[in-house]
Amino acid sequence: EVQLLESGGTLVQPAGSLRLSCAASGFIFRNYAMNWVRQAPGKGLEWVSAITDSGGRTYYADYAKGRVTISRDNSKNTLYMQMDSLRVEDTALYYCARVISGRYDHWGQGTLVTVSS
Amino acid sequence: DIQMTQSPSSLSASVGDRVTITCRASQSIGSNLNWYQQKSGKAPKLLIYTASSLHSEVPSRFSGSGSGTDFTLTISSLQPEDFATYSCQQGYSSPYTFGQGTKLEIK
Repeated sequence: EVQLLESGGTLVQPAGSLRLSCAASGFIFRNYAMNWVRQAPGKGLEWVSAITDSGGRTYYADYAKGRVTISRDNSKNTLYMQMDSLRVEDTALYYCARVISGRYDHWGQGTLVTVSS
Repeated sequence: DIQMTQSPSSLSASVGDRVTITCRASQSIGSNLNWYQQKSGKAPKLLIYTASSLHSEVPSRFSGSGSGTDFTLTISSLQPEDFATYSCQQGYSSPYTFGQGTKLEIK
């Protein structure tokens, strides 16, 4: 069974930093691209960042460029997202999701990031 | 970026009703359109991919159609467990953008 388990979300002050993790199991992690998708309270889904299966290429939403770094450790079956210079508007539930042919076929349960003073 | 627009934003219906939700892309995306169901407090689940293919274990009362810029999700006979928010997503080009969601509520 495919499982994705996010962690690392917490309350952080504006301008602070945070690292989210997503532990994968039940599939060959190194064979799949992975993404982070977020959902602000009461809002729709919004793509944040993506990484190829090997980790060789990364992609970011415009609002995340320069503040977010996606990475992965295929030996540990884990996806990461380092978030710096956090803003109040970054408050959201952050999901990791497995990508295949342009669709998100498996999602984690999400980890909540709250940016507030 | 490709913009995805869903209509309606919310919808009230009864058990047994036939329901249709529409998704429009700002440019042609071929058949690269996916639908997700999200229940309150839960992660999204893939329902339909490439416009009309049902994901594993999705009931046959769900169907999708369309190509190019206009797509629909149809639930043929609403069941109590179908009341949720439905979102479309284009998988044609990065960034993979989502519609704003359609909240399906019990009438």
